[in-house]
Amino acid sequence: DTGVSQDPRHKITKRGQNVTFRCDPISEHNRLYWYRQTLGQGPEFLTYFQNEAQLEKSRLLSDRFSAERPKGSFSTLEIQRTEQGDSAMYLCASSFPQGADEKLFFGSGTQLSVL
Amino acid sequence: DAKTTQPPSMDCAEGRAANLPCNHSTISGNEYVYWYRQIHSQGPQYIIHGLKNNETNEMASLIITEDRKSSTLILPHATLRDTAVYYCIVRVGGFKTIFGAGTRLFVKA
Repeated sequence: DTGVSQDPRHKITKRGQNVTFRCDPISEHNRLYWYRQTLGQGPEFLTYFQNEAQLEKSRLLSDRFSAERPKGSFSTLEIQRTEQGDSAMYLCASSFPQGADEKLFFGSGTQLSVL
Repeated sequence: DAKTTQPPSMDCAEGRAANLPCNHSTISGNEYVYWYRQIHSQGPQYIIHGLKNNETNEMASLIITEDRKSSTLILPHATLRDTAVYYCIVRVGGFKTIFGAGTRLFVKA
């Protein structure tokens, strides 16, 4: 169990640029989540995948945000035309639900700063 | 998902038990109570969960009241490394996990 890994750990970009983050879940986990967290707040749900299918997207996920999970393995989250309000920690989590039980395993996140 | 209410912050002396309360008065019969914690600059970490019965694992104990309207997470011997934000969440199996603001626990030497 190597855990959930996210890359990069930190990203600094200028307003208007595109950025892409990667998440590698725990290998046998079929569910993958993306959350966003700003200072002093709890993580906010953005979207999640069951295998390669994107099952739900939050209203927080504007048209500038897109997430993919090709082949049901790693996932990418892309933000186009970044804005200063996109500055946040982007967290990825994976799980293997068993019945009603679902424990999320989180990565350490990608800290995005938009200048 | 049912809403939870937690105090914004709590203090605890090192070596003493930390008791973190959570109110979930609108919880439904099929909703589980989950606890996660988040240490500074890390992703949240699962601690424990339960439906009706009290639960214990190597990290903590979870006490759920008989009417299930509230619960308490107990860290039996808090250490400085337990300083973190603790999130109480209620969720139905198969649905996404929604985090609130949590309780910021400060463990003091």
